[in-house]
Amino acid sequence: DSGVTQTPKHLITATGQRVTLRCSPRSGDLSVYWYQQSLDQGLQFLIHYYNGEERAKGNILERFSAQQFPDLHSELNLSSLELGDSALYFCASSVGSGRFSYNEQFFGPGTRLTVL
Amino acid sequence: GENVEQHPSTLSVQEGDSAVIKCTYSDSASNYFPWYKQELGKGPQLIIDIRSNVGEKKDQRIAVTLNKTAKHFSLHITETQPEDSAVYFCAASNNDMRFGAGTRLTVKP
Repeated sequence: DSGVTQTPKHLITATGQRVTLRCSPRSGDLSVYWYQQSLDQGLQFLIHYYNGEERAKGNILERFSAQQFPDLHSELNLSSLELGDSALYFCASSVGSGRFSYNEQFFGPGTRLTVL
Repeated sequence: GENVEQHPSTLSVQEGDSAVIKCTYSDSASNYFPWYKQELGKGPQLIIDIRSNVGEKKDQRIAVTLNKTAKHFSLHITETQPEDSAVYFCAASNNDMRFGAGTRLTVKP
């Protein structure tokens, strides 16, 4: 158990809908990272938050957004869902000084999103 | 941006044999290279990492080597066991963490 929690574990929804994925980092970790894992794209970095502020953006679509709250939990919002958004979504946390380098990341168990 | 290529995509070995997975990266500024193991239904778990000022690192049966000049790094698993069967990902990081496509390792008893 990495200490990172994600809810829900599974989510099934329809095209055009909006969903929110939640992540709680390990105790003491200030950074949260979101990743998308699909069969044909591997692990794709989406976005990184450190202590409530956005620090880096990867391949995140404009239909997706995230935030990190004062208690350090994070939410990933996915809107106008398409079939191709079906994937595993992982969050990871690290103690992090706000930069990727040298920061061991601990991954949560993931949320499996199915868009029908 | 960074581009990480990983080979092979699948690898099957007999228990007790060694397994080697190789990755190349494109951004010479990358300075942190972790390896993750992902078992079915679980999130990736860090198994070993190496920083750009080190050429080799070993932890029991697992070792990683880094060649900065050639921009490639490798994971070596010796005396493989069935429980080593999983998908392994390499990654390279400067400001962004970029992952390889993964290698599905199967260790046959």
